[in-house]
Amino acid sequence: GQQLNQSPQSMFIQEGEDVSMNCTSSSIFNTWLWYKQDPGEGPVLLIALYKAGELTSNGRLTAQFGITRKDSFLNISASIPSDVGIYFCAGQTPYNFNKFYFGSGTKLNVKP
Amino acid sequence: DAGVIQSPRHEVTEMGQEVTLRCKPISGHDYLFWYRQTMMRGLELLIYFNNNVPIDDSGMPEDRFSAKMPNASFSTLKIQPSEPRDSAVYFCASSYNLNRNQPQHFGDGTRLSIL
Repeated sequence: GQQLNQSPQSMFIQEGEDVSMNCTSSSIFNTWLWYKQDPGEGPVLLIALYKAGELTSNGRLTAQFGITRKDSFLNISASIPSDVGIYFCAGQTPYNFNKFYFGSGTKLNVKP
Repeated sequence: DAGVIQSPRHEVTEMGQEVTLRCKPISGHDYLFWYRQTMMRGLELLIYFNNNVPIDDSGMPEDRFSAKMPNASFSTLKIQPSEPRDSAVYFCASSYNLNRNQPQHFGDGTRLSIL
């Protein structure tokens, strides 16, 4: 089946630092999504990307849809303690647009 | 706007018992998805519906699992009989229309523990 590789698995950073995480796939995607999951809650959509090369921001978050259509990254600038959580990438292939595939998540820890 | 509503939030039961998880999607959303999340396997799609009709149930692990959507505002995921390895967080998600690249919105999940 479809494989989404998300890295890093976890990160420990100091408040104020910038963060970068990425996702790669074995085949091309036509949609990339980034979600954040807080403990005890469901994933919440942060950013949606629909076109290769697209760069989209949401506050301190910026995500890009890779030109090859096989990767995406998420950057968080000037991290704050409430950024703590698990970040998931998800993608949709043009071969089966009915399914979203999820990465294994990046667990972010921010030290005040 | 009300989001996806799931109940119960937590369920603890003994193995062999029937478990029913419930979901109310966002009003107007045509698609409803059931996921299971575990540490080992991450988020797995179990089944999804379009306009109350099951479209793809290839992710349902076994015949012990069944899902129904009797109307546009309600869906159930049932496990009978339950086993300890079914312990996980089960999420329901809904979306407006996949063809228009509408992302999925998730509920807060049901944390299921089978003893």
